[in-house]
Formats: sequence, structure tokens, C-alpha cells
Amino acid sequence: GQQVMQIPQYQHVQEGEDFTTYCNSSTTLSNIQWYKQRPGGHPVFLIQLVKSGEVKKQKRLTFQFGEAKKNSSLHITATQTTDVGTYFCAGRGTASKLTFGTGTRLQVTL
Amino acid sequence: GAGVSQSPSNKVTEKGKDVELRCDPISGHTALYWYRQSLGQGLEFLIYFQGNSAPDKSGLPSDRFSAERTGGSVSTLTIQRTQQEDSAVYLCASSLGVGGKETQYFGPGTRLLVL
Repeated sequence: GQQVMQIPQYQHVQEGEDFTTYCNSSTTLSNIQWYKQRPGGHPVFLIQLVKSGEVKKQKRLTFQFGEAKKNSSLHITATQTTDVGTYFCAGRGTASKLTFGTGTRLQVTL
Repeated sequence: GAGVSQSPSNKVTEKGKDVELRCDPISGHTALYWYRQSLGQGLEFLIYFQGNSAPDKSGLPSDRFSAERTGGSVSTLTIQRTQQEDSAVYLCASSLGVGGKETQYFGPGTRLLVL
């Protein structure tokens, strides 16, 4: 079945440093979504990418969808403590259900 | 507006007992997912309902787990003869369904502790 892996599993940065998480699917995706889960909370939708090579920005967050539509990345510029949480990608392949990635936990310290 | 709600928010039970977890999706959402999340871990897919189609049960870990969705709305996840390894947060999510409108809206989860 479809598998979606994320790297790294965990990253600890100092406030102000940049952060990137990578998402890789075993199959081609029709679209990819990103979610953020704060500690103790539930996942919250951030964005959806649909087109090959698409790039979208939300303030300090930049999302990319690979040309082959099998990978994606989330880059955070100048991290802040409010960025702490686990970031999940989720992709839909040929099967109808959405498959979540393994997640990257981000810790930001002053 | 009302989001996805789940009940109970917390459940403590004894090993061997049955539990029922409830999910009320957003009205009009045809897709409903159940996930399990152990402490500090990722989302483990359990089951997926889409409209009137047969549910995708491929994520259910054992035959002790089952789920229903009555009338295309409320869903109940049942765990029979609970084991300590069933302790986790059980999350429900709903979405409008396929066709690009697939943003999943998550409920607050039910924290299950099996003693």
C-alpha cells in the first residue's frame, strides 16, 4: 500500500534558525496537504498543494510539491517558539483515502 | 460553526472491558476517518468511511476493533476486550469528501487509558 515517510523525525532548533521537513511518498500523489499539531492538541490543516512543482507561501512558511508529485517539503524561515509542534504531510494516491506521513516534531528554544 | 466533536473526552477502563467512542462529524461531510495516536507518535489510520461506500477497514489492528457510521453521520468506534496497548488518543476527522475538497477537520480526540 501507499507509504508516506517524513524526515527528520525530530528537530531541535534555536529561535531564528530555519527548519525544513521533507515528505516522500512511495506512489504518485494527486495532491498533498500539510497539518500542524501543537503539543496536546489535534492536527490542524495548513495548506493543500495540487500542481506539479507548485510552491505556496504562508508568511514564514514555504510549501513545495515536487515535479514528480511524489515528494513535498515545508520550510520555515526564522523559527519562533510558536512554531513548536509536529508537522504532518498527507497525500492522496490512487486509493481514495488520505495517507498521513510519519510526522516531524519541531522543538524551538530561545 | 460547530466542528467535529468526540465523546467522551477521556475514558479510563479496566483491561477486558468494552468501550465505545463517539464521533459527530461536521454536518454535510461525507468522509469520516478514525485514527489512533500513541504518546509522541504519528497518526495511525484505523478506518475510513466515504458516503455509502463500503468502509476501508484496512487499518483496524485486530478483530477487537470495529466501527459503524449510522445514517452517514455519527460514527462509533468500539473496542472489545480492551488491552493495555489500546491506550492512546483516538482522533476522528471529517471532510467534505473527494473532488479536491478534502481538508480534514479533526475532533479533539478521546484519551483512552486501559488499566
